[in-house]
Amino acid sequence: QKEVEQNSGPLSVPEGAIASLNCTYSDRGSQSFFWYRQYSGKSPELIMSIYSNGDKEDGRFTAQLNKASQYVSLLIRDSQPSDSATYLCAVNTGRRALTFGSGTRLQVQP
Amino acid sequence: DAGVIQSPRHEVTEMGQEVTLRCKPISGHNSLFWYRQTMMRGLELLIYFNNNVPIDDSGMPEDRFSAKMPNASFSTLKIQPSEPRDSAVYFCASMVGQGSGQLFFGSGTQLSVL
Repeated sequence: QKEVEQNSGPLSVPEGAIASLNCTYSDRGSQSFFWYRQYSGKSPELIMSIYSNGDKEDGRFTAQLNKASQYVSLLIRDSQPSDSATYLCAVNTGRRALTFGSGTRLQVQP
Repeated sequence: DAGVIQSPRHEVTEMGQEVTLRCKPISGHNSLFWYRQTMMRGLELLIYFNNNVPIDDSGMPEDRFSAKMPNASFSTLKIQPSEPRDSAVYFCASMVGQGSGQLFFGSGTQLSVL
């Protein structure tokens, strides 16, 4: 079992819709959870972090964490074509370095 | 600050040759990471330094790979001898502290081993 799992996609949504990206992790001791965005040919950049159960909102982005279910999600409201990218879920599993999922490719159709 | 600086941006080499990738972390960041990204395996941690000391090198695939951090502003990842399966994008990233999670990535080195 991979430590951090994501559906590779592509996830295709129309412009203005809500995009929902999901991630599960295997280590119950994980404490910190992150979403990185990676445009094609570029390096990953941090967009959200979450440390406790519940929701965390930042602009059009909402991160959700459920430690009991070992589940993290990212919602993007009012999706724009510029949101088209690969979204990487990352978890601090106690190795003191982030473990990344393989990423979900999001396509926002104009 | 210029961010994390990696060189070269692209490297094409022949199997068996030595390859050296270089990284300059953001000034003041005391943790440095080397990751490798491929379509098949995603983004994999190779090695992690804190205060110039290697903390976790369990991701280094084999003895052909070595990494050094002689000072706070410079790190190298060396592959000797290189093989076609080493072809990937190699990212260096740095962070303040150890667990904050806000990794700042360099632009990466696209390595092609023929």
